Order: sequence, then C-alpha cells, then structure tokens
Amino acid sequence: AQKVTQAQTEISVVEKEDVTLDCVYETRDTTYYLFWYKQPPSGELVFLIRRNSFDEQNEISGRYSWNFQKSTSSFNFTITASQVVDSAVYFCALRMNTGFQKLVFGTGTRLLVSP
Amino acid sequence: GAVVSQHPSWVICKSGTSVKIECRSLDFQATTMFWYRQFPKQSLMLMATSNEGSKATYEQGVEKDKFLINHASLTLSTLTVTSAHPEDSSFYICSAHRNPILVNTEAFFGQGTRLTVV
Repeated sequence: AQKVTQAQTEISVVEKEDVTLDCVYETRDTTYYLFWYKQPPSGELVFLIRRNSFDEQNEISGRYSWNFQKSTSSFNFTITASQVVDSAVYFCALRMNTGFQKLVFGTGTRLLVSP
Repeated sequence: GAVVSQHPSWVICKSGTSVKIECRSLDFQATTMFWYRQFPKQSLMLMATSNEGSKATYEQGVEKDKFLINHASLTLSTLTVTSAHPEDSSFYICSAHRNPILVNTEAFFGQGTRLTVV
C-alpha cells in the first residue's frame, strides 16, 4: 500500500528562521513521483515541486530546497529565511506509475511564521 | 494563471437539496479529473476519478448515488452532491493532469468549493 507520513502537525517559527518539513513515504513501486504542494488560507493548492524516484538530486529554488533520500524514503522540504507569507499548510504527496496516477497525500504540516 | 477552474468557490444550501460543482480545464483537454474532499485541518482524500465518456471510478466508502460525477466533455467534470446533509459540509477540490499519459506531470488543482449544508 502507498502511504505518506508527515509527522509534524504544526510548526511555529519566527520570521527569518529556517524550517524543515519532513515527509516519509511508503511504496512498493520502483517508479513513483513525489510532490510538495502549498495550501494557503484561501484553500487552493499550489504546486511547488515534483521529483521522480530515479532522480535523487536535491533541488534548490530560491529560499526553498528539497532533500530526497531514497534510502530512508524521505523527501524533506526546507524553507530558508522564512517569511510571514510562507504561512500555510504544506502537503507532501506520492503518485505511482500505474493506474490513474492518483495522488496520495500526507496529512499536511501547518506552518505558522510570526513577524 | 489558473489552468483548472472550479465553480462555485463557496455555496450554502439547505438540507435535502442538491448542489453541483463544476471543474474545468482551461487550456488543455483532460480525459481524467480527480475529486477530493478535505475536512477542516485534515488532508485531501480522493473521492473518485472522473473519466471522460465513461463512468467514474469511486474510492472505497464513497457513495456513488450520493456523489454523482459527470465528465461529459474533455474540459468539464461535475460533481453533484445529492440530497445534501450537514455531514456533507466540507471543502471539495478537483484536479486534472495536463497529460495523464505522461505520469511525471504535476496535477493542477481548482480553487476548491466550500460547501456548507444548513
């Protein structure tokens, strides 16, 4: 069975602090895809990144960086120098290479950045 | 800009009435769309996969007769909550892939619909 675990329910930081959001996944597939989405208070889901299972190269995009460790089945997300606008719920998701390619979401981590 | 549009963004209805939610792909054809439900402070749970020109595929535990899905065209899927009750109050969100054959494409999500049944 496929499963995504985000153990951190809520994280509170002060602006300019770095913060890492953890994501651990389970799948028996050898080919799969991992995603991070941001859900601000308005509700829409904003795509942040997609990572293929065969590409373990870490990625940096501005203040955002992602660490994919296949050996530990983790796909962690770090925000550097956090800002108030980063406050949102962040979801990690897994998609297999079979079926209708539906997404399996983690429970989400609510990030609160205070000024 | 948004590539998947969902309407309405919020709706309040009386118990016993039906509510229709639309999900449109704006600049691409979507043979497959997905419908999710999200309870407050919880994750997104897949309800069903909407297939253009054929019956939707429902996840286990989702009532087909309660949540009617119609995918009549390549750019429009609708979810109708029939005989709504207060427990149906939730945030409903749809998604579509620009090209479902290419599995490494991201899903685009609609803005979501907040349904309140009173």
